Amino acid sequence: AQSVSQHNHHVILSEAASLELGCNYSYGGTVNLFWYVQYPGQHLQLLLKYFSGDPLVKGIKGFEAEFIKSKFSFNLRKPSVQWSDTAEYFCAVNVYNQGGKLIFGQGTELSVKP
Amino acid sequence: DGGITQSPKYLFRKEGQNVTLSCEQNLNHDAMYWYRQDPGQGLRLIYYSQIVNDFQKGDIAEGYSVSREKKESFPLTVTSAQKNPTAFYLCASKFSLAGTGELFFGEGSRLTVL
Repeated sequence: AQSVSQHNHHVILSEAASLELGCNYSYGGTVNLFWYVQYPGQHLQLLLKYFSGDPLVKGIKGFEAEFIKSKFSFNLRKPSVQWSDTAEYFCAVNVYNQGGKLIFGQGTELSVKP
Repeated sequence: DGGITQSPKYLFRKEGQNVTLSCEQNLNHDAMYWYRQDPGQGLRLIYYSQIVNDFQKGDIAEGYSVSREKKESFPLTVTSAQKNPTAFYLCASKFSLAGTGELFFGEGSRLTVL
């Protein structure tokens, strides 16, 4: 079965540190890839998405992610985190022949210390 | 404003009772989804629907039921057969099931079984 794996359950960083959250998926066909963020007490919202073209995609709030097809990875990065980035981050994959289902990873909780 | 409204936000239920969670969207989306969010497990798909009067089981449909009588509405019933119903439930919608658009989420309903 297709699956999405996020490497870290909980990441703790100080402000201005660089961030990289890992995401790997297990499907060899065409996929769309997403990162969603859930700030404390708020609903899930889209950070960025990859459909095709340039494998380096930029999202809101200075986040970016790189799709590496050979590694089945879509890691999320930010050069310098802020306290306001404290949230839970979810990687998700939309598999083309799976009826439009979005499969989510387990989530990574990011805590940024001021 | 367009969006997804879930109600109630918090719900307590005694064991053996069925409970129905409401999800309404005014985004004119065809596809609607129910996910369950548990700590450390990410979001798991319960049911989804691509059009009125049609719905499919997701990965963890046992103990749940849905209906899709109107485009705007996709209620989820948590039945007494669901062995571990205490969770955070998220409703989502997308323009179309096969489309590559992003998923929009409601604010969630937290169900606690006493």
